[in-house]
Amino acid sequence: AQSVTQPDIHITVSEGASLELRCNYSYGATPYLFWYVQSPGQGLQLLLKYFSGDTLVQGIKGFEAEFKRSQSSFNLRKPSVHWSDAAEYFCAVGANSNSGYALNFGKGTSLLVTP
Amino acid sequence: DSGVTQTPKHLITATGQRVTLRCSPRSGDLSVYWYQQSLDQGLQFLIQYYNGEERAKGNILERFSAQQFPDLHSELNLSSLELGDSALYFCASSVQNPDTQYFGPGTRLTVL
Repeated sequence: AQSVTQPDIHITVSEGASLELRCNYSYGATPYLFWYVQSPGQGLQLLLKYFSGDTLVQGIKGFEAEFKRSQSSFNLRKPSVHWSDAAEYFCAVGANSNSGYALNFGKGTSLLVTP
Repeated sequence: DSGVTQTPKHLITATGQRVTLRCSPRSGDLSVYWYQQSLDQGLQFLIQYYNGEERAKGNILERFSAQQFPDLHSELNLSSLELGDSALYFCASSVQNPDTQYFGPGTRLTVL
């Protein structure tokens, strides 16, 4: 069955420290991969996406993600976290299935940034 | 601002009632998706429309239905509401299928 796993429910980092949020997926073919961020009471904002090509993709707010086919992973990274990055982060996968190309989301990782 | 609008922002209603949620996609986007976000189920795909036609179905209950109108806005109808239907309902749109989906701010539904 197709699935998206975000192993870390909560992550706490200090402001200025580096960040890596993990995402693993289980699909038969190379899917379309996304990271979205949700601030409290807000909608989902697209951070970055991977469709094909260069496996290291750059996004907004200084985020990047690397697609590793051999590990079925699409981890999100940021070299230096800011207090405003505190939010819920969702990895999502789109692949042709009987749900069309609808997104299949992970459960999310809640990021807390400490001073 | 993604360019996707949803109304209303909040909706409070009683069990057994029926409500309609509205979504206007970004200008030029033909595809509209509906998702439900709840604490226990997370973000789940409900249904997709493309240029007025139903394209894909996810975990949508029979009590729920949707449509996309000629001007491309979409409505999600929820009937015989139950307490468990309380959730945040998101609409997303994209130019084509597949493509990047841009999300609206959501409608928070509370069923009392």
